[in-house]
Amino acid sequence: EVQLVESGGGLVQPGGSLRLSCTASGFTFSNYPMHWVRQAPGKGLEYVSAISSTGGTTYYANSVKGRFTISRDNSKNTVFLQMGSLKTEDMAVYYCARGKPFDIWGQGTMVTVSS
Amino acid sequence: QSVLTQPPSVSGAPGQRVTVSCSGSSSNIGAGYDVHWYQQLPGTAPKFLIYGNNNRPSGVPDRFSGSKSGTSASLAITGLQAEDEADYYCQSYDYSLSGWVFGGGTKLTVL
Repeated sequence: EVQLVESGGGLVQPGGSLRLSCTASGFTFSNYPMHWVRQAPGKGLEYVSAISSTGGTTYYANSVKGRFTISRDNSKNTVFLQMGSLKTEDMAVYYCARGKPFDIWGQGTMVTVSS
Repeated sequence: QSVLTQPPSVSGAPGQRVTVSCSGSSSNIGAGYDVHWYQQLPGTAPKFLIYGNNNRPSGVPDRFSGSKSGTSASLAITGLQAEDEADYYCQSYDYSLSGWVFGGGTKLTVL
């Protein structure tokens, strides 16, 4: 079964850091670009970051540029999102998604930023 | 404010047809980039619904269809069913932002 499973979410204080992981199964992970999309409580989808299939090209939304870093380990079928200098406005469910367009989504992991 | 503009809500009775609009600009839809649609049922992750303006992935009923013209796109749902009640999002690429953009989402209520 083609599947993406996110992990790493949790409660963090403003200014803190967190690393999210998304592990893929059921397909050749190294063939696909991967993305992170977030959804604040009661709000719409916001595109956060992307990484090419080889990891050589990355993209960040202006709202997270300089604070978040996306990376991938194709040997472990995993994409990461290192989040730093977290703000209350970063609080959201974070989804990873495959390809272009985004044909497979994970179930999401909740990030809560609060003191 | 989302780059792509969708109505906050639409509604229809079972069996009826509804449309969801998605308005963009010359840097995204109007530049020729494809529009894709996603369905998000309550409490679940988004699901891939329409790709390349008017194509349905395997398993999506033919009650769902998409279209694109100029700087706008639309999602049409015919024969409305209670299970169609969800949030719908359009997506395209924007060259001025060099990244993907989503619409603000439209909540469909089946009356």
